[in-house]
Amino acid sequence: EVQLVESGGGLVQPGGSLRLSCVASGFSFRTYWMSWVRQAPGQGLEWVTYINPDGSEKFYVDSVKGRFTISRDNAESSLYLQMSGLRVDDTAVYFCTRAPRNLDYWGQGTLVTISS
Amino acid sequence: DVVMTQSPLSLPVTLGQPASISCRSSQSLVYSDANTLLHWFQQRPGQSPRRLIYKVSNRESGVPDRFSGSGSGTDFTLKISSVETEDVGVYYCMQGTHWPFTFGQGTKLEIK
Repeated sequence: EVQLVESGGGLVQPGGSLRLSCVASGFSFRTYWMSWVRQAPGQGLEWVTYINPDGSEKFYVDSVKGRFTISRDNAESSLYLQMSGLRVDDTAVYFCTRAPRNLDYWGQGTLVTISS
Repeated sequence: DVVMTQSPLSLPVTLGQPASISCRSSQSLVYSDANTLLHWFQQRPGQSPRRLIYKVSNRESGVPDRFSGSGSGTDFTLKISSVETEDVGVYYCMQGTHWPFTFGQGTKLEIK
């Protein structure tokens, strides 16, 4: 069974940093593109970033470029999102997702709250 | 960016009646491999989204056959033949052809 389990969310002040993690199981993690999608409270879904299987290609939505960094550790079947320069409008549930062009599996999400 | 426009945004439906959601894209969604990367997701209250339909018309394993997807190019539709209580939630279309990938605004289905 495919499972994606996120962690690392929390309350951070504006301008702060946070690192999200996603542990994958039930599939060959090292062969899949992976991604992060977010959802602000009561709002719709928004793409954030995705990464290719060996970590050499990364794509970011304009609103997070230069502030967020996606990475992965295939030996640990883990996906990461390093977030810095956090803003109030980054407040959202962040979902770890598999296969960016198709989004076939989603994690349960981790809540990131940016507030002073 | 490709704009995905869903309608209606609110969909009150009587139990047992059909429902239909439209999704229009601002560009063709045909990918370089000739597939059309238009998918539909359901998000029940308090849950993560789950994929219902992939590549326009392919039903995900375990999804009831009352759900169907159709369309081509820039015009797509999700249909529920007979709405049940468990169908309450928000439905999103999403295109995976052009980066940044984009979602529709979401259609909230409720029981009338």
